[in-house]
Amino acid sequence: KAGVTQTPRYLIKTRGQQVTLSCSPISGHRSVSWYQQTPGQGLQFLFEYFSETQRNKGNFPGRFSGRQFSNSRSEMNVSTLELGDSALYLCASSLEAVELFFGEGSRLTVL
Amino acid sequence: QQQVKQSPQSLIVQKGGISIINCAYENTAFDYFPWYQQFPGKGPALLIAIRPDVSEKKEGRFTISFNKSAKQFSLHIMDSQPGDSATYFCAALGGTGRRALTFGSGTRLQVQP
Repeated sequence: KAGVTQTPRYLIKTRGQQVTLSCSPISGHRSVSWYQQTPGQGLQFLFEYFSETQRNKGNFPGRFSGRQFSNSRSEMNVSTLELGDSALYLCASSLEAVELFFGEGSRLTVL
Repeated sequence: QQQVKQSPQSLIVQKGGISIINCAYENTAFDYFPWYQQFPGKGPALLIAIRPDVSEKKEGRFTISFNKSAKQFSLHIMDSQPGDSATYFCAALGGTGRRALTFGSGTRLQVQP
């Protein structure tokens, strides 16, 4: 069974730009969660989608958004990038948002 | 109240020794407590998890001990190996209307040969 696939793995953007990250969950998993990992703040919850509906949202500004498609694939978008958005963005899939399986992440560098 | 406090921040253990990492939480609504292992450049991998109605769970060399009254849980790695060198995160799931993991700050484990 294939794991969680995240693309791109690495990307560099400049301040003010926007970025879209993609996540393909494990086959059969309908819940997709996104987390931000930084050395200073650790792992922080962004949002969780289930069957194309956002069920939970973390304490991030509105510049961070996401969506889920009918095939359970998910994307997250960050607009008007700031230096502090540099982080590893992790996607996790699960059957019911309990046992989470993480992808390898997308490492975003904002210059 | 959503915090999970993890200690120590780093840990050095000799090969064959026991590694112990501790976590404490405040929110009694948490109902699922997983541990994740993360290697450099990789995403966290689920190692073992426990629910609050169980005091201990063992899987191979990994054991979770859970103390509900003290609101503490710990990971024990028996017969630690150099391949266990990684960062370990405890986490807790649950809370009012919120199905999201709250992570501890992580413990960097180094097992010396």
